[in-house]
Amino acid sequence: GNSVTQMEGPVTLSEEAFLTINCTYTATGYPSLFWYVQYPGEGLQLLLKATKADDKGSNKGFEATYRKETTSFHLEKGSVQVSDSAVYFCALSDPIDTGNQFYFGTGTSLTVIP
Amino acid sequence: DTEVTQTPKHLVMGMTNKKSLKCEQHMGHRAMYWYKQKAKKPPELMFVYSYEKLSINESVPSRFSPECPNSSLLNLHLHALQPEDSALYLCASSQEGQKGGPQHFGDGTRLSIL
Repeated sequence: GNSVTQMEGPVTLSEEAFLTINCTYTATGYPSLFWYVQYPGEGLQLLLKATKADDKGSNKGFEATYRKETTSFHLEKGSVQVSDSAVYFCALSDPIDTGNQFYFGTGTSLTVIP
Repeated sequence: DTEVTQTPKHLVMGMTNKKSLKCEQHMGHRAMYWYKQKAKKPPELMFVYSYEKLSINESVPSRFSPECPNSSLLNLHLHALQPEDSALYLCASSQEGQKGGPQHFGDGTRLSIL
């Protein structure tokens, strides 16, 4: 079956620190992979995506590379800001599934302190 | 600004009330979703509509009744809810036929059951 395992939080970093949030997946087919971010009181926003092996998604300084050999899609940012404080969800979509269902990781809460 | 609009943003209702949540998108997406999200948890899929027809019901209690009157609108009718139904209800949409594509989320309705 399909599933996503995500690094447990919460994570607290100082401003300008390097961020890594680990995400690994299990899939029956060839999934697309996503990172979503949820700020307090808001819905989920698509942060970045990758649709095939070795693709790198990037947005707002965040990056993640689709690694088929390690079934991973780790999120990284070189220098976090206070405004990056949010909950981050790794997600998978398997194209063979009905209705483009998503499988979410448990979420990682990030707090960046000045 | 989100392209999926949900109303109301907040809703407080008693266990005997009947209310409805509304979701609207104008991106031409033909797949629409309802999710329930508890605090600090990932979204849980409730229903999927594909081309205005219900394609997935994740064994949701009958006190939740979805409706898709047209390709842009999705409603969730609520009746006789329980306190444990208090949560953030998220609507999302995606391009049907674009398997593995992203889902676009609204900001949600925060529901409190008294």
